[in-house]
Amino acid sequence: DIQMTQSPSTLSASVGDRVTITCRASQSINNWLVWYQQKPGKAPKVLIYRASSLESGVPSRFSGSGSGTEFTLTISSVQPDDFATYYCQQYKSPPWTFGQGTKVEIK
Amino acid sequence: QLQLQESGPGLVKPSETLSLTCTVSVDSISSRSSYWNWIRQPPGKGLEWIGSIYYSGSAYYNPSLQSRVTTSVDTSRNQFSLKLTSVTAADTAIYYCVRGAENPRGLFDSWGLGILVTVSS
Repeated sequence: DIQMTQSPSTLSASVGDRVTITCRASQSINNWLVWYQQKPGKAPKVLIYRASSLESGVPSRFSGSGSGTEFTLTISSVQPDDFATYYCQQYKSPPWTFGQGTKVEIK
Repeated sequence: QLQLQESGPGLVKPSETLSLTCTVSVDSISSRSSYWNWIRQPPGKGLEWIGSIYYSGSAYYNPSLQSRVTTSVDTSRNQFSLKLTSVTAADTAIYYCVRGAENPRGLFDSWGLGILVTVSS
């Protein structure tokens, strides 16, 4: 199985801060990586797919980068609606595996 | 817009079988561009993919659960189902039914609301 490791587990930020979350894969997944946002009591929602492609309707302050084994999700200026938990997931090969999540909290 | 709705018992006894159904609305479960998936999330924890099934009935599962999991499709009702046998407290989770693309596989783009299943006597 491909292991996905996110850091940090928790991140405290103020509105307007630039936020970066890292996701590492245990082996190369090329760019077969998706980022999800999950709010309490809700299902995850796709933000970024293919490592850097913005899902339709997602604000442009979200961006993704990376390939191979190291990836980042960046929020250029975090807004109140962005306080949530973020997951990365590889879709290079099954079993499809997720990172453990990064909770973005209000400082 | 595609809608998925999970249904089934919210409480299952240890050693019994967990059975859930997902009803798909708007889109056809016979779509050749979709795989139908189950993903679970223990309360306060991360996400775990359980398995995927195509409209033809072709399925594949997470090896960690494969010995206990069965999925099926009912195209006449636009539904797919999950059975997980010999459950324990570790199977307590929110279970999501999810649509995934057929190409590439593994990208989960539409999720149900989720159903909490508690394993307890």
